Amino acid sequence: DTGVSQDPRHKITKRGQNVTFRCDPISEHNRLYWYRQTLGQGPEFLTYFQNEAQLEKSRLLSDRFSAERPKGSFSTLEIQRTEQGDSAMYLCASSLFWGNNEKLFFGSGTQLSVL
Amino acid sequence: GNSVTQMEGPVTLSEEAFLTINCTYTATGYPSLFWYVQYPGEGLQLLLKATKADDKGSNKGFEATYRKETTSFHLEKGSVQVSDSAVYFCALTSIQGGSEKLVFGKGTKLTVNP
Repeated sequence: DTGVSQDPRHKITKRGQNVTFRCDPISEHNRLYWYRQTLGQGPEFLTYFQNEAQLEKSRLLSDRFSAERPKGSFSTLEIQRTEQGDSAMYLCASSLFWGNNEKLFFGSGTQLSVL
Repeated sequence: GNSVTQMEGPVTLSEEAFLTINCTYTATGYPSLFWYVQYPGEGLQLLLKATKADDKGSNKGFEATYRKETTSFHLEKGSVQVSDSAVYFCALTSIQGGSEKLVFGKGTKLTVNP
């Protein structure tokens, strides 16, 4: 068990470019979450998957953002036409959800800087 | 909507000092409450949780009691160590037992000096 892995750790891009982040959850975890954290703030929920189904998306997730989890394993988060306001740490978390019990395991995040 | 307010940091203490980090919440229904910790260079980790009123969560010498009457979930530790230096986040979810849509506070940075 290597934990939740996120790639890349850092991404610097120019405004208007597209970026894609990857998250590899802990093996066998059926839920996967994306959060965004800006400086001095706590993480904010973006979206989550149960297996390959995207069950909920936050209003924070504009139409420039899209997330996928095609085979119920790894997930990608794409931001199109990046803006400076997208600069943040993007966190991924996974869990094995059963009954009413759930514990999230977070990755170390991808730090995005939009110039 | 649901929200969490935690005391502003940073907090600086000497080793073996008593720690309290205040957390209050606003939520509909009966939320579950959490404390997460983020050590330098690492991902968020669940420190402790409580799922109903008067429950006490505890782990690694840290404790927090779910107080419905004061809508609070203050984090305490009797004697902090240098290794406790980290950022602490209070959080809630209104999904009983689940962690969907965790709502986090802004975090409190703790530095413990030897």
